[in-house]
Amino acid sequence: GAVVSQHPSWVICKSGTSVKIECRSLDFQATTMFWYRQFPKQSLMLMATSNEGSKATYEQGVEKDKFLINHASLTLSTLTVTSAHPEDSSFYICSASRGQIDSPLHFGNGTRLTVT
Amino acid sequence: AQSVTQLDSQVPVFEEAPVELRCNYSSSVSVYLFWYVQYPNQGLQLLLKYLSGSTLVKGINGFEAEFNKSQTSFHLRKPSVHISDTAEYFCAVSGSNTGKLIFGQGTTLQVKP
Repeated sequence: GAVVSQHPSWVICKSGTSVKIECRSLDFQATTMFWYRQFPKQSLMLMATSNEGSKATYEQGVEKDKFLINHASLTLSTLTVTSAHPEDSSFYICSASRGQIDSPLHFGNGTRLTVT
Repeated sequence: AQSVTQLDSQVPVFEEAPVELRCNYSSSVSVYLFWYVQYPNQGLQLLLKYLSGSTLVKGINGFEAEFNKSQTSFHLRKPSVHISDTAEYFCAVSGSNTGKLIFGQGTTLQVKP
């Protein structure tokens, strides 16, 4: 079946540095990708919707300058956490869609970010 | 706007017993409903979805759910659970055809031997 690859699976960085997370659809073209953040024992909070070739749409309360999203091709979207702080530590999950509701949404395995 | 409420944060159950995980939603438009399962430190796997048609939806791993429009519910059921069903279960709703999902708070299903 369709696979979404998310890399890295975990990363530890120092406060003030930037971290890039990649989300790739391996065997289909993803017109839309979604980025979620999940705190321990909590639900997934949608951060932004990324459409290939256009600017991402951010949810209310998400800082677009801090969480930079790029969807340069139909198979790759990246999330960059800029000037990371300990409060940015979380589990980040991407998902990819062909853009149609009857097409299943495929999720990556997530990235555990720890900022020290 | 849509929202989802999962009424139980934790559901403990013995192996081979039946289980129901409850989900209620609110929406001002027609909705599409989903159940996902998440194992520790992993992404989400689709169990089943309701888009239209029959209100009883069958999914993978023996799970099924019933869409009840009058009660705005989409409860997940399994007649006999296994230890391997222990995981976090998320109900989700979408009011559009773009795949944007709003998730409930999640229910931890803990199957005991």
